Amino acid sequence: DVKVTQSSRYLVKRTGEKVFLECVQDMDHENMFWYRQDPGLGLRLIYFSYDVKMKEKGDIPEGYSVSREKKERFSLILESASTNQTSMYLCASRSRPLRHNEQFFGPGTRLTVL
Amino acid sequence: QQQVKQSPQSLIVQKGGISIINCAYENTAFDYFPWYQQFPGKGPALLIAIRPDVSEKKEGRFTISFNKSAKQFSLHIMDSQPGDSATYFCAARDGGATNKLIFGTGTLLAVQP
Repeated sequence: DVKVTQSSRYLVKRTGEKVFLECVQDMDHENMFWYRQDPGLGLRLIYFSYDVKMKEKGDIPEGYSVSREKKERFSLILESASTNQTSMYLCASRSRPLRHNEQFFGPGTRLTVL
Repeated sequence: QQQVKQSPQSLIVQKGGISIINCAYENTAFDYFPWYQQFPGKGPALLIAIRPDVSEKKEGRFTISFNKSAKQFSLHIMDSQPGDSATYFCAARDGGATNKLIFGTGTLLAVQP
């Protein structure tokens, strides 16, 4: 059974803290993605990675960075958390764009920044 | 041009009824149109998808209708069941260099028993 796991389901941090969100996939997928999900805004792409040590900015990268040192792991970093980064964060993975192009999502991390 | 507009934001349907969710796009470079289903506490999961060279795709009670000239596509859920209650996202793939998905804003479907 394919699996994308995220390190925490719920996280509470204070403004200004550095926050690490971890994502691991066991499908040997090349592509990995970080989204944030907010009511009424859908899923918005923060960063994605085509392969190890590669990263591309998505639609809303400001205030975030990422790291992909190993194929199975993709980390999202909030250098200095702010209250407007309170959100649900979803990680996804995908094999190289093939005909079906399915993205597999983790269960999400609900981050609250106080 | 990169947006996918989804409506309605929420939908209440009686058990056995038809649920219809609509999406529209502008970018003619989009080349793949999936629908994702998300239950509370879970990540989205692929439900059904269509390519623009066909006008309809059916899988069980779920059907995508695609109108290329109008740049619109919709999800129809026939004989809706309480277990279908979830949030539904349409999406479109940017067929250019990134192949990233652009998601709609989501529809919260509640099927009443």
